[in-house]
Amino acid sequence: AQSVAQPEDQVNVAEGNPLTVKCTYSVSGNPYLFWYVQYPNRGLQFLLKYITGDNLVKGSYGFEAEFNKSQTSFHLKKPSALVSDSALYFCAVRDNRQNFVFGPGTRLSVLP
Amino acid sequence: DAGITQSPRHKVTETGTPVTLRCHQTENHRYMYWYRQDPGHGLRLIHYSYGVKDTDKGEVSDGYSVSRSKTEDFLLTLESATSSQTSVYFCAISGDRGPTEAFFGQGTRLTVV
Repeated sequence: AQSVAQPEDQVNVAEGNPLTVKCTYSVSGNPYLFWYVQYPNRGLQFLLKYITGDNLVKGSYGFEAEFNKSQTSFHLKKPSALVSDSALYFCAVRDNRQNFVFGPGTRLSVLP
Repeated sequence: DAGITQSPRHKVTETGTPVTLRCHQTENHRYMYWYRQDPGHGLRLIHYSYGVKDTDKGEVSDGYSVSRSKTEDFLLTLESATSSQTSVYFCAISGDRGPTEAFFGQGTRLTVV
């Protein structure tokens, strides 16, 4: 069965510093990986996805993610964090039944 | 946001009563999903649909049923609400042209008292 792990419940980073939110996955077959962000009292918003091709994927709001097949990881990154990036982040994998399996989420706090 | 509307947005109901949540899409997407979000659990799949009258159970389907009689509508019914079903419920949609992303509705906050 497909699964996603986000090893950190909480990530704190100072504004202007680079940020990383970690994700590891377990899938059979080709991994289709996604990152979502959730602001308070809102639905999930799509940030970026990896389907195939370049291991570095660029997405919305300056976010990018690095796919590493050998480490089965798909870490979310941003070179310079903003206070407005503070939110809940979810990593997800699309399984072979076209369903999305989500990690437990990581709360990112960017401190001014 | 993609064309997804959930209704109601908030509901308080009593234990033992039936409750129906509605998800309406205007994107003509094939796949529709119901998730619940609880602290510490992330999002868990309740039921999903591959098309009209084609539905299946997810990992936390006990106590829930769904129906999809039209492409645009996916209904989630709590047959007899319990306090453990107090949660935030999200509907999502996804297309069938390759491994596309899912788009989410704004959520329904349900409280069972």
